[in-house]
Amino acid sequence: AQKVTQAQTEISVVEKEDVTLDCVYETRDTTYYLFWYKQPPSGELVFLIRRNSFDEQNEISGRYSWNFQKSTSSFNFTITASQVVDSAVYFCALTLIKAAGNKLTFGGGTRVLVKP
Amino acid sequence: DAGVTQSPTHLIKTRGQQVTLRCSPKSGHDTVSWYQQALGQGPQFIFQYYEEEERQRGNFPDRFSGHQFPNYSSELNVNALLLGDSALYLCASSSDAQETEAFFGQGTRLTVV
Repeated sequence: AQKVTQAQTEISVVEKEDVTLDCVYETRDTTYYLFWYKQPPSGELVFLIRRNSFDEQNEISGRYSWNFQKSTSSFNFTITASQVVDSAVYFCALTLIKAAGNKLTFGGGTRVLVKP
Repeated sequence: DAGVTQSPTHLIKTRGQQVTLRCSPKSGHDTVSWYQQALGQGPQFIFQYYEEEERQRGNFPDRFSGHQFPNYSSELNVNALLLGDSALYLCASSSDAQETEAFFGQGTRLTVV
């Protein structure tokens, strides 16, 4: 069975501060995808990034960056120079590549509050 | 291009009643998954439909059932509602052949009283 843990339940920062969200996962499989989703108050889960287990390169997209480390089973997410619009709940998730279908196992989420 | 659409957006039901939630997948997607998200928690996988059949199922009782139609749209049915079934129900669609990431709808907020 797979498990995703997001130890931080809520983070509060002032606008322009950086914020890092932690994600630790457990799986016995060697081939999997990791994801980050953003959930604004509207409720819809917005896809942010997908990484496969073979690619440990860090990635940067605008103010977002991701640090994937298989050695520690972590896939952390950093928002640089946070803005009020970044306020949302962020979920880390995992799915197995070889299994039929793409069932997502989610962490409990981290609520980010960016104050002006 | 319409994304994933769900109906209704909000619903209030009485304990013991039955409810049907609906989902239309994103254009080009053939796989539909349903998730239950209790307040303050992450989404939990209920089941997935592909080619009109249930392909995977999470740890949910048989009171939860579903259906997928030839046009790939899907329904989630919950019988004998319990207060604990109150949650946001999310539908996600994806393309099995292309192994794309899942796209989510805005969900149906179900309140059982």
